Amino acid sequence: QVQLVQSGAEVKKPGASVRLSCEASGYPFNTYYMHWVRQAPGQGLEWMGRISPSGDFTNYPQKFQGRVTMTRDTPTSTVYVELNSLRSEDTAIYYCVRDGHTWNFDYWGQGTLVTVSS
Amino acid sequence: QPALTQPASVSGSPGQSITISCAGTSSDVGAYNYVSWYQQHPGRVPKLMIYGVSQRPSGVSHRFSGSKSGNTASLTISGLQDDDEADYYCSSYTSSTSWVFGGGTKLTVL
Repeated sequence: QVQLVQSGAEVKKPGASVRLSCEASGYPFNTYYMHWVRQAPGQGLEWMGRISPSGDFTNYPQKFQGRVTMTRDTPTSTVYVELNSLRSEDTAIYYCVRDGHTWNFDYWGQGTLVTVSS
Repeated sequence: QPALTQPASVSGSPGQSITISCAGTSSDVGAYNYVSWYQQHPGRVPKLMIYGVSQRPSGVSHRFSGSKSGNTASLTISGLQDDDEADYYCSSYTSSTSWVFGGGTKLTVL
């Protein structure tokens, strides 16, 4: 069965960077796009970007361009997201999500809480 | 400000039907049949309920259906059950090669 297992919670200071991981299993990892979606406490879902199956290209919304980097490692079936220049507004649960081949989010990781606080 | 507009809340009694709207633009909802809906219970991970405007993933109840007219998509839940009480989010692919979400709708089963 498809599983996306994310790394553990992080606490960071403003201005720092955070790198989250997501290990996939149960399907051919190198044939699916992967996305990252975040959710601030009590708020809605926000798309952060996606990475192609090969890792050759990424798409980021303008809001995150220059501050986010997504990568993936095929041998370990792991996708990563790095967010720089953290601020308190980045406090959220971050989800890695598989794209189900029809531009939807069909499987979600369990989420990683990132807390940004001085 | 979410790109897609959903009502903040809807409610219905068990057995009734409700519809949640999701208003977008000609650059997202109106341009592509790539609208999807997600159910999220408190403290839980979102779950895909509808994709491609009206397709149901395997295992999702037939009580959930989706449609689209112009720039507005809709999710209808028939035969409301207690377990349907959750937050619902719509999402759409956009002409900017990006995805947008609605602000979410809290469904209360009375």
